[in-house]
Amino acid sequence: GAVVSQHPSRVICKSGTSVKIECRSLDFQATTMFWYRQFPKQSLMLMATSNEGSKATYEQGVEKDKFLINHASLTLSTLTVTSAHPEDSSFYICSASDPEGKANQPQHFGDGTRLSIL
Amino acid sequence: GEDVEQSLFLSVREGDSSVINCTYTDSSSTYLYWYKQEPGAGLQLLTYIFSNMDMKQDQRLTVLLNKKDKHLSLRIADTQTGDSAIYFCAESISNTDKLIFGTGTRLQVFP
Repeated sequence: GAVVSQHPSRVICKSGTSVKIECRSLDFQATTMFWYRQFPKQSLMLMATSNEGSKATYEQGVEKDKFLINHASLTLSTLTVTSAHPEDSSFYICSASDPEGKANQPQHFGDGTRLSIL
Repeated sequence: GEDVEQSLFLSVREGDSSVINCTYTDSSSTYLYWYKQEPGAGLQLLTYIFSNMDMKQDQRLTVLLNKKDKHLSLRIADTQTGDSAIYFCAESISNTDKLIFGTGTRLQVFP
């Protein structure tokens, strides 16, 4: 089945550091990838939709200069949290769409990255 | 806007049935989904239902869809401790791969 690999699984770093999270589709080409943020005991909030070779589409209220998204190839999208602060601490999850896949499984999810900013 | 609502918490005894409910707003959704999230992990697709169906059964899972009331439910038969997790319903947005997730229901199974 379609597998999405997300790295790292856990990051702890100091305030002011920039952190990059990678999302890879391992056995399919993903023209579209999604980035979500999940606060404790809450649902997934879509941050942005990333299309290969074009600029990401950000949801309302998400700062594009804070959360840089790059989708340079059909199997890799990255999210960079720039100059991270404690309020950026959260669980970030990526997903990928397989254009050859079934309509009844629109997105395949990574295992998430827990980001903790001290 | 689109809001997908779920009850926050459900506690059941091992071996009993669990019923998790969801109300959604977009009547044009083609598919509706149930996902499971274990602690510190991503989302696992459990099952889905096509919008022109009323019911779908898949082993211990039964999905009921009431399109008139925009109500979706997931019944887990013979609930086990390994079923303890957060369950999200989700609806698809027409002509896109976007999903709108429910607020999530935390299922706790006790022996």
